[in-house]
Amino acid sequence: QSVVTQPPSASGTPGQKVTISCSGSSSNIGSNTVNWYQQVPGTAPKLLIYTNNQRPSGVPDRFSGSKSGTSASLAISGLQSEDEADYYCATWHDGLTGHVVFGGGTKLTVL
Amino acid sequence: QLQLQESGPGLVKPSETLSLTCTVSGAPISSADYHWDWIRQPPGKGLEWIGSMTYSGTTHYNPSLKSRVIFSVDMSMNQFSLKLRSVTAADTAVYYCGRHVRREGPDYWGQGTLVTVSS
Repeated sequence: QSVVTQPPSASGTPGQKVTISCSGSSSNIGSNTVNWYQQVPGTAPKLLIYTNNQRPSGVPDRFSGSKSGTSASLAISGLQSEDEADYYCATWHDGLTGHVVFGGGTKLTVL
Repeated sequence: QLQLQESGPGLVKPSETLSLTCTVSGAPISSADYHWDWIRQPPGKGLEWIGSMTYSGTTHYNPSLKSRVIFSVDMSMNQFSLKLRSVTAADTAVYYCGRHVRREGPDYWGQGTLVTVSS
């Protein structure tokens, strides 16, 4: 059980906007930044969003990230069939030995 | 462009030590800004961060794995390595190497390598 929680599934139809949440605590999201990753089955995760809301070069602006308090969100607008994938959030967890924590992942289905 | 490539045995026997190497190209492993990561993903499950190291020896660990993990760096080969001791079937996973710069998740990933623990 991860200390950072995501819904296991989400869905939408082409063209819709979908939002995926990532909930943590003051020890992780509340005091650190959040990355988001897209993983198509059988491939390595791809960085979608870093530092809460920054897009790497090449990531469409349909993908956006935000953070408020101890929660973060990934929004995908203009949903496309190729967006069907698993999505993970990640952040730093403070403590005696700080470390990266991943959310449990959200499987996005495009109906 | 930074690239990472994992290598190592695909099959390890229970109770033995899993050993993997990540070869880095496109950036020096000796940069003080870079933390080199190991991440794993059991079949059909989510991502689990194993830990990270810098070339100078700064390390961070997933507390649940710390007692079994050993990291090392070979600057002459621009490689870093993972050893995971006393493996069981629960350690069967795709293992990824990666890099992070800030106190965030990795920004670059290798393609991953499947390691199966079985007799």
